[in-house]
Amino acid sequence: DTGVSQNPRHKITKRGQNVTFRCDPISEHNRLYWYRQTLGQGPEFLTYFQNEAQLEKSRLLSDRFSAERPKGSFSTLEIQRTEQGDSAMYLCASSLKGTQYFGPGTRLLVL
Amino acid sequence: GDSVTQMEGPVTLSEEAFLTINCTYTATGYPSLFWYVQYPGEGLQLLLKATKADDKGSNKGFEATYRKETTSFHLEKGSVQVSDSAVYFCAPHLNAGGTSYGKLTFGQGTILTVHP
Repeated sequence: DTGVSQNPRHKITKRGQNVTFRCDPISEHNRLYWYRQTLGQGPEFLTYFQNEAQLEKSRLLSDRFSAERPKGSFSTLEIQRTEQGDSAMYLCASSLKGTQYFGPGTRLLVL
Repeated sequence: GDSVTQMEGPVTLSEEAFLTINCTYTATGYPSLFWYVQYPGEGLQLLLKATKADDKGSNKGFEATYRKETTSFHLEKGSVQVSDSAVYFCAPHLNAGGTSYGKLTFGQGTILTVHP
């Protein structure tokens, strides 16, 4: 049984560049979540999917952020025109009912 | 609006000491309640959970009881070990858009350091 996986684990980019992260949930989990965690804070919700439908988006998710889950399995989170304030750990979680299981995260550093 | 308040840290204890980390929340409904732990260099792991009033979640010697009257879910352990050093997050499953399976709302986290 494999857990939630995320790629890449680390990403360094220059301000203004686009980045894309991938999340592979636990097999058969129909719900998938994205969170963002900055240093010294708890994770903050960004968005979630049930199967391929994006059911909720946080106000934190500006127009530069877009997430997809085209076939109801893996998901991608894209950030366009990155800013230094986007530097954070991006966490993905999946669930079947209630309990969410987290991946190791992708740490983004925007220079 | 719905929110969670977690005891601020850091908390420093000697091995075998008693641990309490307070967590209270405000919610319009009756959320499921979770504690997650983040060990140094690792991802978030579920520590324990409770889904209805008076339920007690337990794992690895940690316990927390769902108190509806006080809207609290305090984490306790009778005798901490050095290996318990980590960051602990309270995370109620607050109602999101009327669904039961929406977002978790995390507290700010409590850093626990246990010395030998």
